[in-house]
This record gives sequence, C-alpha cells and structure tokens, in this order.
Amino acid sequence: GAVVSQHPSRVICKSGTSVKIECRSLDFQATTMFWYRQFPKQSLMLMATSNEGSKATYEQGVEKDKFLINHASLTLSTLTVTSAHPEDSSFYICSAFRQGEGYEQYFGPGTRLTVT
Amino acid sequence: GEDVEQSLFLSVREGDSSVINCTYTDSSSTYLYWYKQEPGAGLQLLTYIFSNMDMKQDQRLTVLLNKKDKHLSLRIADTQTGDSAIYFCAETSGGYQKVTFGTGTKLQVIP
Repeated sequence: GAVVSQHPSRVICKSGTSVKIECRSLDFQATTMFWYRQFPKQSLMLMATSNEGSKATYEQGVEKDKFLINHASLTLSTLTVTSAHPEDSSFYICSAFRQGEGYEQYFGPGTRLTVT
Repeated sequence: GEDVEQSLFLSVREGDSSVINCTYTDSSSTYLYWYKQEPGAGLQLLTYIFSNMDMKQDQRLTVLLNKKDKHLSLRIADTQTGDSAIYFCAETSGGYQKVTFGTGTKLQVIP
C-alpha cells in the first residue's frame, strides 16, 4: 500500500519556540494533503487542507498564523507550530489522498508534540 | 455539519465475531471507510465501501451499509488479540474532499 511518512515522530520543545513537522508521500504524488490533530482518547480533528502550490484551507477555529502549512511539492507538506504553548501539545497526523478505486486516503504515523 | 457517531467501547472474547457500528448524517456521503489505530500509532485503512454498495467482504472483515438508515457496520470474524485497537469509521463526499471521522470504538479482545 501507499506509504506516508512523518518526521519527527516525537518532539519536545520549550514554550515560545516553533516546531516544524514534515509529511511526505513516499511512493505517490499527492496534490492534496490533510493535517489532523488528535487529543488523547479522542477522534481526529481536521485542522487544514494542504494543496500543492496554493494556500492551505483552514477549518473554522484553527489559527492559520499559528499553524503554518506549506505544500511546496507533490510529495511534501510541512506544518509549523509557531510560538508553541503547552496547550498545543497533541498528536498531529497528516494524510494524503491517492486517487485509486475509492479515493484512498493514507495516513502518516503521527507526530507526538510535547510543549514544556 | 456532518456528524459520525460510534459506540465508545466493545469487548469480545478471542475467536468470537466483533461488530462495530457507526451512524452518519451526511446524505451525500459517497465513500465510507474503516480505519484501525493502535496505541501511539497513526491510522491504518482497513477497508472502504462505495455508497452504492450494501456489502463488502475482505477476508475476516465484512462491511455492511444501510444507506437508508445511514448505518455502517464492520464485522470482524474470528477476532484475535491483535485486533485490539480503536476503530474509526469515516465518510467523505468524494473528490478529494475532507473526511469526517467518527468518535472511535475501542475494541478489547479478551483471551
């Protein structure tokens, strides 16, 4: 199956610093990628839709100046959490669509962000 | 907006069948998915079904769709301890549109 990677898998940073998370589609091109956030024991919350070569589309309530998304190529999207605070600590998961028989969406393994 | 609901918890004995249920509200749902998430990991796509189908079988997995009632179920035959995880149903209207996830069902398999 299609593979989506994320880097780093875990990151601990100090409050006020910025953290960049990478999402790569390893064996297919992805014009559209999604960024999700998952709190413990909860479902996935869509943060934004990342489109290659254009601005990301953010869901209501998600601060676009805080969560910067750059989809610079057909295989890479990045999420930068700027001026991170402890409440930004969460599990961040990206996904990419591979258009096949049923619009299959493949997920990365996730990035655990802890802000101290 | 779209809403996808699941029961939170299911416990079954090893070897029995598990049935995880899901209801959704979006009548334009075109593709419906089942994902598995193990602790600390990302999501694994298990299977999906088109809205014009009412059943899909894939080895131990059987998906049933009742479009009239907007009800989706996942049956796991001969449930194993390795099946213990959280299962999410999800839906999309298709065409690279966002996917809406259910609340997740934690499946516990008792040896």
